[in-house]
Amino acid sequence: GAVVSQHPSWVICKSGTSVKIECRSLDFQATTMFWYRQFPKQSLMLMATSNEGSKATYEQGVEKDKFLINHASLTLSTLTVTSAHPEDSSFYICSARDLQGTDEQYFGPGTRLTVT
Amino acid sequence: GESVGLHLPTLSVQEGDNSIINCAYSNSASDYFIWYKQESGKGPQFIIDIRSNMDKRQGQRVTVLLNKTVKHLSLQIAATQPGDSAVYFCAETTNAGKSTFGDGTTLTVKP
Repeated sequence: GAVVSQHPSWVICKSGTSVKIECRSLDFQATTMFWYRQFPKQSLMLMATSNEGSKATYEQGVEKDKFLINHASLTLSTLTVTSAHPEDSSFYICSARDLQGTDEQYFGPGTRLTVT
Repeated sequence: GESVGLHLPTLSVQEGDNSIINCAYSNSASDYFIWYKQESGKGPQFIIDIRSNMDKRQGQRVTVLLNKTVKHLSLQIAATQPGDSAVYFCAETTNAGKSTFGDGTTLTVKP
């Protein structure tokens, strides 16, 4: 089946630094990837839609200058959390939609970000 | 605004019993729904989906029911096993693939 990977699986960084998270579709191409954030014991909240070759579409309330998204190829999207603060600590999950397939989204395993 | 929510935050069942997890949605124009299972520290895992032109769909040990009249979705798990313990989310998905997740129900299966 379709596999989506994320790297790193967890990261600890100091307040004020930037962190890049990668999302890769390993065995399929994805023109569209999605980035979600999940706080403990809460649901997934969509942050942005990443479109290959064009600008990402951000959800209301998500700062595009703080959460930089780049979708440079059909298999890779990156999310950079800039000037991270402790309140950015969360579980970041990406998903990808198969270009050739059905409406099904395939989710990555998530990246746990802790900002100290 | 549009939202997808769940009726019960937790559900505890005995191993072997059937489980029913409920979900209410508010956007009557929604036409595609998905149930996901999420284990601790992992990403969501697709379980089953249903389109609005259907009212029931069955998979292996799982059944999803859709009642458009009352905007209600349910997931039934037959012969629940300890490995089914997880958080279950329903998600309303647009044609563009954008998903709105409900709050989640934590299912605990007692041996």
